[in-house]
Amino acid sequence: DTAVSQTPKYLVTQMGNDKSIKCEQNLGHDTMYWYKQDSKKFLKIMFSYNNKELIINETVPNRFSPKSPDKAHLNLHINSLELGDSAVYFCASSHQLMGQASYNEQFFGPGTRLTVL
Amino acid sequence: GEDVEQSLFLSVREGDSSVINCTYTDSSSTYLYWYKQEPGAGLQLLTYIFSNMDMKQDQRLTVLLNKKDKHLSLRIADTQTGDSAIYFCAEIAGFQKLVFGTGTRLLVSP
Repeated sequence: DTAVSQTPKYLVTQMGNDKSIKCEQNLGHDTMYWYKQDSKKFLKIMFSYNNKELIINETVPNRFSPKSPDKAHLNLHINSLELGDSAVYFCASSHQLMGQASYNEQFFGPGTRLTVL
Repeated sequence: GEDVEQSLFLSVREGDSSVINCTYTDSSSTYLYWYKQEPGAGLQLLTYIFSNMDMKQDQRLTVLLNKKDKHLSLRIADTQTGDSAIYFCAEIAGFQKLVFGTGTRLLVSP
């Protein structure tokens, strides 16, 4: 009964390839996120979706395309992979959009370690 | 800028107290959070504080907030080896975005 799950856990691929990472949450949350954590452990938001609608799109290259087929899933597709894409990618979810009016916990998946050779 | 700063590393002995500091940037952030990341895992919420509070205690954890200086700290009493992890503070910056600090790696030695 994992709350937020990601597949695969590890992904090793060559430069130039296209790959996808899948994320599912069974918490009934409305909002899902993708984060990138680099080798120095800096964690930056990439995207957020609320009820399948894109809310946040940080300055992420167009090669990254999130897709939310339903509220419980947010997948991340990456085209033309580059060496600099190597990182750990975390999916997360929360009951509602982050806001100033109320406390809102984000639940994180276990991460997908992407290595581009 | 949006950099939420933390010291990179803290080493303590088991049984001591640990204090992890954070300087955040957005004075309008109504909630501030502390997350813990164990090796090979995702982040897990430890505690949070509402901005109209100066202090919050939750078992071994004490959060102190100084809004004037935009300074947040997490104190762990009676630190155990299982507390070894990376700790992130986080603020709600601008609109609907959680911004994480640079992370503090806590090492607890027996």
